[in-house]
Amino acid sequence: EPEVTQTPSHQVTQMGQEVILRCVPISNHLYFYWYRQILGQKVEFLVSFYNNEISEKSEIFDDQFSVERPDGSNFTLKIRSTKLEDSAMYFCASSETNTEAFFGQGTRLTVV
Amino acid sequence: DAKTTQPTSMDCAEGRAANLPCNHSTISGNEYVYWYRQIHSQGPQYIIHGLKNNETNEMASLIITEDRKSSTLILPHATLRDTAVYYCIVRVAIDYKLSFGAGTTVTVRA
Repeated sequence: EPEVTQTPSHQVTQMGQEVILRCVPISNHLYFYWYRQILGQKVEFLVSFYNNEISEKSEIFDDQFSVERPDGSNFTLKIRSTKLEDSAMYFCASSETNTEAFFGQGTRLTVV
Repeated sequence: DAKTTQPTSMDCAEGRAANLPCNHSTISGNEYVYWYRQIHSQGPQYIIHGLKNNETNEMASLIITEDRKSSTLILPHATLRDTAVYYCIVRVAIDYKLSFGAGTTVTVRA
């Protein structure tokens, strides 16, 4: 069964460093999303991406965040200068028609 | 501004049907009801969605009341692997985001 793949599964980074989280969405999907979940808290929407542009973003998704689809298969989330409060599980998701979204297993980001 | 209300937790016996309620009394005519679940901090998993009619797939059934103010997710034969947090979400079709609440923690017991 096709699935969304995220790498790495765990990333530790120093405060102020840039990180790139990578995702390979399901191949025929056209809509891509990033969510995050701080430990013990709710899953929060960050951004959606369709037709090579951001279609919606939340207040969390400020200038420190960016997304890119550098080629036909990858979808990345970049955090320019990480803060301690960016520590969270980051989930990538994709959807064929913006109805049911399929989530990856997540990248645990730890900022020290 | 929670759009749905779910019980915090519920237990279910293995092999029995699990009925998970959700209230969405302020739902508007163009909002769909979605159900997702999250097994122990894994990525959320889509279960089912519907607008007005009852829906069934290989995982579950979704029963939406006629006034659409509440719905019930039914897992027909719960297994230990169904232990998870279940989220009921209302969403307009043109919306891109899913707004997750706290959900219902369902524990299936042997």
